[in-house]
Amino acid sequence: DAGVIQSPRHEVTEMGQEVTLRCKPISGHDYLFWYRQTMMRGLELLIYFNNNVPIDDSGMPEDRFSAKMPNASFSTLKIQPSEPRDSAVYFCASSGLALGDTQYFGPGTRLTVL
Amino acid sequence: SQKIEQNSEALNIQEGKTATLTCNYTNYSPAYLQWYRQDPGRGPVFLLLIRENEKEKRKERLKVTFDTTLKQSLFHITASQPADSATYLCALDRGSTLGRLYFGRGTQLTVWP
Repeated sequence: DAGVIQSPRHEVTEMGQEVTLRCKPISGHDYLFWYRQTMMRGLELLIYFNNNVPIDDSGMPEDRFSAKMPNASFSTLKIQPSEPRDSAVYFCASSGLALGDTQYFGPGTRLTVL
Repeated sequence: SQKIEQNSEALNIQEGKTATLTCNYTNYSPAYLQWYRQDPGRGPVFLLLIRENEKEKRKERLKVTFDTTLKQSLFHITASQPADSATYLCALDRGSTLGRLYFGRGTQLTVWP
């Protein structure tokens, strides 16, 4: 298996632009997680899905952030409009049937908003 | 909410020594505690999981302990090597449908020759 795939790996954009991050989880995994990592705040859970349904989005910072999972093999995290404080590394992770199972992380997308 | 503290931001030790990293938590006790390794520019990679009813878990040169009375987990790397240099994160969940995984800020370990 190729593991969790994220794209793009790097994104540089200007304030106010829309940004879309993409994730392909490991085949057969039922849970998908979106995290954000910064030096100041560490690794924060933004939202997670179970069987394509959002379960907990309380970590989403504000309405500018939205996430979708249209099918079991694809998810997007969208920021519109983007702001400089959104600059961070965004990770997608997936895990198996039981919550608390090992999470497998993708390589991350480094986002820079100018 | 759960608060997790890892003993220090950075730990420097000499090759061959045992590295000991600490993870302390407050509030409720987790059903699981996990340790991950993160290398620069990469996502965290799972290392070990220990359950609340387990005192100790080993995997090769790695050992994790879990003391629910002290609300603390210790992560040991014996016979450390420069290749062990990385950031190590502890993570807690409740094993419930709430499902959030809470991560500590991590401890950056450097093993020098």
